[in-house]
Amino acid sequence: ILNVEQSPQSLHVQEGDSTNFTCSFPSSNFYALHWYRWETAKSPEALFVMTLNGDEKKKGRISATLNTKEGYSYLYIKGSQPEDSATYLCAFIISSGSARQLTFGSGTQLTVLP
Amino acid sequence: KAGVTQTPRYLIKTRGQQVTLSCSPISGHRSVSWYQQTPGQGLQFLFEYFSETQRNKGNFPGRFSGRQFSNSRSEMNVSTLELGDSALYLCASSLPQGDDTQYFGPGTRLTVL
Repeated sequence: ILNVEQSPQSLHVQEGDSTNFTCSFPSSNFYALHWYRWETAKSPEALFVMTLNGDEKKKGRISATLNTKEGYSYLYIKGSQPEDSATYLCAFIISSGSARQLTFGSGTQLTVLP
Repeated sequence: KAGVTQTPRYLIKTRGQQVTLSCSPISGHRSVSWYQQTPGQGLQFLFEYFSETQRNKGNFPGRFSGRQFSNSRSEMNVSTLELGDSALYLCASSLPQGDDTQYFGPGTRLTVL
């Protein structure tokens, strides 16, 4: 059973603060790491797909880094806004033949206070 | 392009009954995966179907089953419902030969009484 851990479990920040979360995963048989944002009453939406060690991806104020050798990824939000409030999920993928299974972490719930 | 749709959105059943949930993927997506989310848990992978074949299966009892039709629509069945099966069931579709990005539907909220 693969273990994907996210920390912290929840986080409250003030509007304008920058913040970051961690996703830890097994470093063997790595194929890809995904980040998703899940807003209340909506469906999870993909933020980033990361495959290479050292990858850095950016979308507006949100960015992510990947270290496959030590098994972690960071998600950063610069200048948090109330609309960033959501649960942020990472999903780790290993490859086994033609089947690739996503294992999700339990998420970091972010609340941005105005 | 229409997104992933799931029916029904809400369902109330009693213990021992069975239930079938339906998922229509985005047009052109041939892979459909099912996930269960319970309070305090992340998304737990149930199974994945591709071209009408189950390609991958998570760690759930045999009461949970699924199938996929030739038009890529998928159904998930849970037999002999237990209280612990109360959850949000999400399906997600992805592109063939893509990067496995999951495009999620709105989910079916199942309550077992």
